[in-house]
Amino acid sequence: DVKVTQSSRYLVKRTGEKVFLECVQDMDHENMFWYRQDPGLGLRLIYFSYDVKMKEKGDIPEGYSVSREKKERFSLILESASTNQTSMYLCASSPLVIANEQFFGPGTRLTVL
Amino acid sequence: EDQVTQSPEALRLQEGESSSLNCSYTVSGLRGLFWYRQDPGKGPEFLFTLYSAGEEKEKERLKATLTKKESFLHITAPKPEDSATYLCAVRGSSNTGKLIFGQGTTLQVKP
Repeated sequence: DVKVTQSSRYLVKRTGEKVFLECVQDMDHENMFWYRQDPGLGLRLIYFSYDVKMKEKGDIPEGYSVSREKKERFSLILESASTNQTSMYLCASSPLVIANEQFFGPGTRLTVL
Repeated sequence: EDQVTQSPEALRLQEGESSSLNCSYTVSGLRGLFWYRQDPGKGPEFLFTLYSAGEEKEKERLKATLTKKESFLHITAPKPEDSATYLCAVRGSSNTGKLIFGQGTTLQVKP
């Protein structure tokens, strides 16, 4: 089975802190994605990556950056956390660029105070 | 612009009462329509992929169908453990690698 793990289930940070969210997949997938999920807004794509050291902006990249130094690991960085970044963050991976389903991690519930 | 609309937003059923969830989509060159199940506080769990109109897939009490404009997730004789939010997503040719998600339908099945 595909396994996508995220470093924390729950995280509480203060405004202005730098926040790192880590995601690791164990199925050698090329593609990895970061979403945030908010009530009434659904899942929104923040950034995605098709390969190591490669990244592309999603629909809401402002306030975020990403890093992919190894194929299995994709990190989401909040350079200076703000309260409006309080959300559920979901990482996903998939094996091919075109078609094929994405497999999601358990999510990180981030609260910024 | 690619778009996905799910209805209803919420659905309450009695155990054994069959029903359907709707996913209407607008996409340039459908590359796949995906159904996910999401339990509270967890990540979405993949259920089905449909690629072309007329295609159907089944898993236990769930059956997904696809037309050129919409997909249905039919739930036959649901049980309380089927309670969850069901998400629909599409991938179009103009958004290679990206999924466009609907808002989801939250299903509650009462015993």
